[in-house]
Amino acid sequence: DSGVTQTPKHLITATGQRVTLRCSPRSGDLSVYWYQQSLDQGLQFLIQYYNGEERAKGNILERFSAQQFPDLHSELNLSSLELGDSALYFCASSSRDLGGYTFGSGTRLTVV
Amino acid sequence: DQQVKQNSPSLSVQEGRISILNCDYTNSMFDYFLWYKKYPAEGPTFLISISSIKDKNEDGRFTVFLNKSAKHLSLHIVPSQPGDSAVYFCAAREAGNMLTFGGGTRLMVKP
Repeated sequence: DSGVTQTPKHLITATGQRVTLRCSPRSGDLSVYWYQQSLDQGLQFLIQYYNGEERAKGNILERFSAQQFPDLHSELNLSSLELGDSALYFCASSSRDLGGYTFGSGTRLTVV
Repeated sequence: DQQVKQNSPSLSVQEGRISILNCDYTNSMFDYFLWYKKYPAEGPTFLISISSIKDKNEDGRFTVFLNKSAKHLSLHIVPSQPGDSAVYFCAAREAGNMLTFGGGTRLMVKP
């Protein structure tokens, strides 16, 4: 157990629908990062939050949004889903002073 | 524009031999480099890292080499074991603790 919890582990939904992925960071970590991994490709950075505020944005589609709540958990909202959104979505957290991230086990999203 | 590249999507090595995974980067502002290992159905886990002020870091069977002039780093695994079979991602850090990942290399260690 890495200490980063992602739910649900698997999600199957239809095109056009909206889903919410949840992430609880490791205790004490203030930063949360969301990554997308499609079909054995690399990890594509989506967005970062630090202590409730958006810190950086990557290649995140306008149909996607995220937020970090006062208890530091984060949610990634994916709407108007398309087949191409099928992927593994990883959340990671970090302490400001450490060089690396701790990843959750991911949510596998399948859009049918 | 990919700032971190792993040009070999896969690598096959015999058990007991050396595995060498390579990574190239373009951004001179990267100050810290990391390798992550990923098994199927799991999240990436941290393996080893190196600061830009060093050229080598060793941890057991794993050694990372950094050549700043060539903007190249490599991960050496000696000796390779079947349990090392996984996807390996290199990552580079810039300001704000932002990590940029390479595309990954799938290592297969054959018994």
